[in-house]
Amino acid sequence: AQSVAQPEDQVNVAEGNPLTVKCTYSVSGNPYLFWYVQYPNRGLQFLLKYITGDNLVKGSYGFEAEFNKSQTSFHLKKPSALVSDSALYFCAVRDGGSARQLTFGSGTQLTVLP
Amino acid sequence: SQTIHQWPATLVQPVGSPLSLECTVEGTSNPNLYWYRQAAGRGLQLLFYSVGIGQISSEVPQNLSASRPQDRQFILSSKKLLLSDSGFYLCAWTTGAELFFGEGSRLTVL
Repeated sequence: AQSVAQPEDQVNVAEGNPLTVKCTYSVSGNPYLFWYVQYPNRGLQFLLKYITGDNLVKGSYGFEAEFNKSQTSFHLKKPSALVSDSALYFCAVRDGGSARQLTFGSGTQLTVLP
Repeated sequence: SQTIHQWPATLVQPVGSPLSLECTVEGTSNPNLYWYRQAAGRGLQLLFYSVGIGQISSEVPQNLSASRPQDRQFILSSKKLLLSDSGFYLCAWTTGAELFFGEGSRLTVL
């Protein structure tokens, strides 16, 4: 079985400050990990993924995420937040060895305050 | 490049009426296709996925059905809508690891 948890429903950060959106996962095999962003009444947009290799993954719009196997975490980060980053963020996991579908977290609403 | 289209974008239907949501993908072959439902702007629930024409896997028992009549076409249907079918329906495709989503169809059942 595979599962993912986003412990924070809401994250508020001031513009220009660094941001972190947390994600932890559970899989029995090798984790494939993903971050998506959703703006109101839109589909999900892919930001970045970790499959293998370097633990620090860089993605779209200046976002990055760090894979931590010992803590089973894949937190999303950005050094300097923009008001336009305000959106709903989803972490997702897939058991790379066996699963055909992604399991999504419950989402974290990020609000960047001007 | 690959694109995904969903329609209609918005619809309002009475309880007991039928439903058909359509999704097509362009620029790729033999994708895996998925239907998700998102309630109240939050969590995503996987409804159906398909690895090929005529091959449908259902993740939850419900009032809905799916069909894949062509390689890049995925249809979500219902014979009689319930109030609880209201939500935001998202189609997605993949030929690798990550999913790519359409813009969604918002269904309101009255």
